[in-house]
Amino acid sequence: DAGVIQSPRHEVTEMGQEVTLRCKPISGHDYLFWYRQTMMRGLELLIYFNNNVPIDDSGMPEDRFSAKMPNASFSTLKIQPSEPRDSAVYFCASSLLAGAQGEQFFGPGTRLTVL
Amino acid sequence: AQSVAQPEDQVNVAEGNPLTVKCTYSVSGNPYLFWYVQYPNRGLQFLLKYITGDNLVKGSYGFEAEFNKSQTSFHLKKPSALVSDSALYFCAVREGYNFNKFYFGSGTKLNVKP
Repeated sequence: DAGVIQSPRHEVTEMGQEVTLRCKPISGHDYLFWYRQTMMRGLELLIYFNNNVPIDDSGMPEDRFSAKMPNASFSTLKIQPSEPRDSAVYFCASSLLAGAQGEQFFGPGTRLTVL
Repeated sequence: AQSVAQPEDQVNVAEGNPLTVKCTYSVSGNPYLFWYVQYPNRGLQFLLKYITGDNLVKGSYGFEAEFNKSQTSFHLKKPSALVSDSALYFCAVREGYNFNKFYFGSGTKLNVKP
């Protein structure tokens, strides 16, 4: 199994531009999570999906952020327009439907730099 | 509200010595506790978890963690540290009624020196 796949691994863009981050979860996993990691705030959950449906998006910082999961094998996190304070490492994770016992499997992350 | 505290930003230990990385938690119901490790430029990797049962949980790479309900702690331990254990370690608690939401601690950087 290839694990959770994220692309791109690095993204450098200018303020105001649209940024799209991509994630392919582990096949068969029912849950998909998007996290943001910064030095100041640590690891924050942005949103998670169950069976392609967004369940909790309370961590999405602003309307500039949106996430979709059109099918079981693909999800996107979009920032439009991007701002320098969005610079962070964005992780995607997936897990099986296993109640409280299911650990999450993380992708390698996308390091986003907004100039 | 659920929360996790890792009181030490950094832990330094010599290779071959035992190591402990501390974690305390706060939950409204039964705790479901996890440890993850993050190597540079990598995603988090699952180490071990406590759901129920024996208070001493054994995990990957020789790590173990001890659940202490009275002290609300879940410290990560290893009897003999390796230089390759140097990484960032995160404790996490799963929210009681929302099993799919994790709360992560701020992380502890472990430095193992030869």
